[in-house]
Amino acid sequence: KNEVEQSPQNLTAQEGEFITINCSYSVGISALHWLQQHPGGGIVSLFMLSSGKKKHGRLIATINIQEKHSSLHITASHPRDSAVYICAPTENTGNQFYFGTGTSLTVIP
Amino acid sequence: DGGITQSPKYLFRKEGQNVTLSCEQNLNHDAMYWYRQDPGQGLRLIYYSQIVNDFQKGDIAEGYSVSREKKESFPLTVTSAQKNPTAFYLCASSMAGGSGYTFGSGTRLTVV
Repeated sequence: KNEVEQSPQNLTAQEGEFITINCSYSVGISALHWLQQHPGGGIVSLFMLSSGKKKHGRLIATINIQEKHSSLHITASHPRDSAVYICAPTENTGNQFYFGTGTSLTVIP
Repeated sequence: DGGITQSPKYLFRKEGQNVTLSCEQNLNHDAMYWYRQDPGQGLRLIYYSQIVNDFQKGDIAEGYSVSREKKESFPLTVTSAQKNPTAFYLCASSMAGGSGYTFGSGTRLTVV
């Protein structure tokens, strides 16, 4: 069973391009995290959102709870954005996360 | 600065040996979690603890054990019963209800 589907699985972009990563999920959730994992393995939480849209620098995350869909956008992409981006919906108690397999992004100078 | 510390970053063990992975947080978080990550797969929950002296099994608890004697610490023991222990292990913590979710930098365990 796959509660979380991310697309694309792999993405290569030229520096400066606008990037979109999509996440669809099938479970009922209270919130959704977008995580960033760098090659060393450490993970950083970029956003936690439960409705609408959030922006942090060049990153924008949106969620549509009714359609069970979220997107992560990166504007003016840069090689340092190269990482794996993971969508992680959280079920209602906040203790159970569902994780997508991640989108591996490579931004070429 | 507050955060989560996992140690060591890389760990090698011989097959059949138990090994304990350390996870410490100074965020005053109530909840702590252990995940396993394998190539091409999402993170899978091993154990989690919402309060000191209490913990629950996740999706893949077999072959693992944990303890939560202190709020700051949630060590994970990979026992010899775990059939395929080589993996990347991530510890995380959060406030009650899931806010403030923070990951450690991970421990890559290789069993030879």
